[in-house]
Amino acid sequence: AQSVSQHNHHVILSEAASLELGCNYSYGGTVNLFWYVQYPGQHLQLLLKYFSGDPLVKGIKGFEAEFIKSKFSFNLRKPSVQWSDTAEYFCAVNADNAGNMLTFGGGTRLMVKP
Amino acid sequence: NAGVTQTPKFRILKIGQSMTLQCTQDMNHNYMYWYRQDPGMGLKLIYYSVGAGITDKGEVPNGYNVSRSTTEDFPLRLELAAPSQTSVYFCASSYDRGNYGYTFGSGTRLTVV
Repeated sequence: AQSVSQHNHHVILSEAASLELGCNYSYGGTVNLFWYVQYPGQHLQLLLKYFSGDPLVKGIKGFEAEFIKSKFSFNLRKPSVQWSDTAEYFCAVNADNAGNMLTFGGGTRLMVKP
Repeated sequence: NAGVTQTPKFRILKIGQSMTLQCTQDMNHNYMYWYRQDPGMGLKLIYYSVGAGITDKGEVPNGYNVSRSTTEDFPLRLELAAPSQTSVYFCASSYDRGNYGYTFGSGTRLTVV
């Protein structure tokens, strides 16, 4: 069964710092990759997704992620975070053998200090 | 366009009580899902459905039941609530098998005491 690992459970940054959140998955076949964001008290919202093509994917609010197939990774990045980026971030994978299910990582809680 | 609507938003249950968490979507999505979210554990799939009349177990189905009589509705039933079911529950839907991601509801925070 596929699994998704997010290495950092909690990250604290100051405003304007750069962000990189790690995500690794275990499946070696064809995958679709996602990052979701959950702002405090809200539901999950799609931040960006990768299906094929350019491995560098740009999403909303200045976020981007890079798919590195050889490393089974899909790390999320942002050059300069804002206080409003305080949220929990989830990586998710949909593999071609996983039927209809997204498998989620455990999440990374980001706190940005003003 | 309401998307995915969940009710109630909050609920406190006593051990052994039962309840139904409601989920409705107006996007004509065939696929619907129920997840539970526990701190530090990410989201765990409870049940999912690929269309009206078809449901299947996910990763953590014990203690729950679902039904899918219409495309729009996918209620989740807890028959005998236990403290281990204290969690935040999210319903989601997708147009296809999830290739384009899911649309999530706003969640139900359930406490069993």
